[in-house]
Amino acid sequence: AQSVTQLGSHVSVSEGALVLLRCNYSSSVPPYLFWYVQYPNQGLQLLLKYTSAATLVKGINGFEAEFKKSETSFHLTKPSAHMSDAAEYFCAVSDRAAGNKLTFGGGTRVLVKP
Amino acid sequence: DAGVTQSPTHLIKTRGQHVTLRCSPISGHKSVSWYQQVLGQGPQFIFQYYEKEERGRGNFPDRFSARQFPNYSSELNVNALLLGDSALYLCASSQRVNTEAFFGQGTRLTVV
Repeated sequence: AQSVTQLGSHVSVSEGALVLLRCNYSSSVPPYLFWYVQYPNQGLQLLLKYTSAATLVKGINGFEAEFKKSETSFHLTKPSAHMSDAAEYFCAVSDRAAGNKLTFGGGTRVLVKP
Repeated sequence: DAGVTQSPTHLIKTRGQHVTLRCSPISGHKSVSWYQQVLGQGPQFIFQYYEKEERGRGNFPDRFSARQFPNYSSELNVNALLLGDSALYLCASSQRVNTEAFFGQGTRLTVV
């Protein structure tokens, strides 16, 4: 079975400051890993994904994440927060053999202060 | 091209009733997955269909069922609604079973 743990249900950052969202996963097989963003009353938008190529993955809107197998982590970062980054962020893992069935973490809500 | 479209966007049902949610995938996508997102939680996998066959089922009771039609659109049915079924139901489509999933805006179901 796979699982995802996102540390911190809420994160508050100042505009222009570093955004760091933590994600740890558990998987018995090499995983695919994803970060999604959800704006209020919207569906999920894919920010970036790791599928066993480069361990440092660059996504949209200036986000990037690093896959660290030894730490079973896939933390999301953005060097400089923008007001438009206020949203909820979900880390997800899928089992390559199980198609794209995604197991999500509980989410981290990001608040950006001016 | 249109993205994944879901209907209705919102609905309110009474406990014990039945509901049908609909999803049209992106053109050319043959796989549809359904997720339930309870307020304050991450989405949970319900079903995946590919080429009209069920390819995966999450840990949901038999009150939940789904099907996929020849045009690859899909329906999610929930019988004997409970208050706890209140959630945002998300549909995702992908070209094949193990390719990137694109999500729709969701259907917000409220059971009263």
